Formats: sequence, C-alpha cells, structure tokens
Amino acid sequence: AQKITQTQPGMFVQEKEAVTLDCTYDTSDPSYGLFWYKQPSSGEMIFLIYQGSYDQQNATEGRYSLNFQKARKSANLVISASQLGDSAMYFCAMREGQGGTGRRALTFGSGTRLQVQP
Amino acid sequence: NAGVTQTPKFRVLKTGQSMTLLCAQDMNHEYMYWYRQDPGMGLRLIHYSVGEGTTAKGEVPDGYNVSRLKKQNFLLGLESAAPSQTSVYFCASSYYEGETYEQYFGPGTRLTVT
Repeated sequence: AQKITQTQPGMFVQEKEAVTLDCTYDTSDPSYGLFWYKQPSSGEMIFLIYQGSYDQQNATEGRYSLNFQKARKSANLVISASQLGDSAMYFCAMREGQGGTGRRALTFGSGTRLQVQP
Repeated sequence: NAGVTQTPKFRVLKTGQSMTLLCAQDMNHEYMYWYRQDPGMGLRLIHYSVGEGTTAKGEVPDGYNVSRLKKQNFLLGLESAAPSQTSVYFCASSYYEGETYEQYFGPGTRLTVT
C-alpha cells in the first residue's frame, strides 16, 4: 500500500483565492511527522510546513496551514490568498519513527502540480 | 553558510560508465540522505547515513554505492551506469535530535545515461 497518497495530479486556482491540496497517509507507527515541500520549476525542494503526530493544533506558517485529521489519516495543505509565485509542484512527505530512533528519511507522495491563474 | 551543496549539477554518461556524486553540508548534521526523483514522481530514498562511517540501504539501492568518510560529505557512486538511472538526484541532511526538524535539500544533480 502507498504510504503517502496525493490524488490530485494537477490543480488550478485563481490568484488571491485559497486552495487545498490533499494528502492521505498510511502508517502503524504512533509517532510520525508530516511535511509539505514546494518544488518550483527551478527544481529545488523548499520546506513549507511540518505537523507532528502528537501535535494538538494544526500547523500554520504564514499563508500555509495544514489541516490535520488524524483519525482520517489526512494532512491537507491549505494555501490562502494564492499568488502567481505559488505555481509549483507540491509534495507531501512522512517521517516515521520517534526521537533518535529510526533512519528519519522521508517517504514522498507523487505530488500535485498547482497552477495559479491571474 | 552554504547549506547543502551538490557536485556536479549536470552530467551525461554513457551506459557502463561510472561516476561519483558529491554532497557536502556545513551544518554539522548527523543524518544525510540520497534520493532520486524520476519524472512526474516524488523522491525515493536510495541510501542514507546516520553518522560518519555508517551507511544503510533505502528503498531503491540497487546499482548505487555510498560512502561517508567525513561527517560533512556523503558520496553516491554509480559503478556501471544504466539508462534506468537517468534521474534527478537530491542529497539532504538533517539534525539527529528534535522532532520538528526539516530535511535540508541540495539543489539536485540532473543525470542522463545514454
């Protein structure tokens, strides 16, 4: 089974509108972390936001927020007030394992290409 | 503070040739990783290291070898390149401690094997 599933290969949004990018995950580990990365056309991986499995509140970073629904195993990224510069690939990723144990590597979804239209 | 750097940025190899990709980080991170990204896909873990002198296999290790002789460097080797290894290779590093850590990625190396 896929550990990270992103079901939206591509999304369009109008500038200044909000958009939600979906991510569901699968793990039996009680301790895990969920990440979102942005990859613009230039290719670099840009960290956006992190949510820990024990965090009680949804993570927020500026215009980015993470809608974390633990029981449904979903971690959707919400981008408010979209800008043209938000056009990029967006990857959801998960780290399993607690504290100093485990390899701490990330498992990535296949990504969602977001295009912001003027 | 350069963060994570990768050398080279681009490379074209013929089938059967060998090469080494160099990753360097100046953040004193314990953990380092090599990922590959194929077109239209997310990153997949090739090998990783939890400290100087240690390496371990990830999800797609076949055809690659790695070494971590110095804490700041993590080398990825292809002994006999194959067209299936055409990909973009990303190196990343992270701290050992702390829950809310991110992986810091290098800019990537675009490798084409003909």
